[in-house]
Amino acid sequence: DAGVTQSPTHLIKTRGQQVTLRCSPKSGHDTVSWYQQALGQGPQFIFQYYEEEERQRGNFPDRFSGHQFPNYSSELNVNALLLGDSALYLCASSLADQPQHFGDGTRLSIL
Amino acid sequence: QQPVQSPQAVILREGEDAVINCSSSKALYSVHWYRQKHGEAPVFLMILLKGGEQKGHDKISASFNEKKQQSSLYLTASQLSYSGTYFCGTEIRGGSNYKLTFGKGTLLTVNP
Repeated sequence: DAGVTQSPTHLIKTRGQQVTLRCSPKSGHDTVSWYQQALGQGPQFIFQYYEEEERQRGNFPDRFSGHQFPNYSSELNVNALLLGDSALYLCASSLADQPQHFGDGTRLSIL
Repeated sequence: QQPVQSPQAVILREGEDAVINCSSSKALYSVHWYRQKHGEAPVFLMILLKGGEQKGHDKISASFNEKKQQSSLYLTASQLSYSGTYFCGTEIRGGSNYKLTFGKGTLLTVNP
């Protein structure tokens, strides 16, 4: 039973570029949440997708957008990258009220 | 609002006990505990629901005090594998609020 998988593992971009991160949820899960984790900090909620719609959003600018596909997989897009966007991006999947399970994350570095 | 975790860091010798606290200024629906090892994904430990009982498995247990809006994670007879950063994630229900708000974490180091 595959857990949450994210790709790519690492990514290096320059300021102003755009990036797309991908997430496949754990089998049987229908909800995907995205988090940003800066070094030495806890994960910060970006947004959550359910039934292909953004169900809730955290305090992140519109540069951060997402999508959920009919197979429940999801993408996180970030436009006009800033140095401060460097972080570990975590995807978590869940089903109804069950706990969220995290993927290993994508380490994004902005030069 | 971000929950406050204490202590920020703790160092133990194998076999010793530890308590990690998580406090919120808001009325909570649930508290979720995770452990994250360096370079790895956070791993779910347990969830405490409002009105629920104290939970635990193996030598790790947790409680949720609704009056104080505080949860505590208890690690007894610590093992080397317990080392990592522990995060509490809090959930406030009401309306369409589904997000988890995580604390800054507690770094636990267990030495031989």
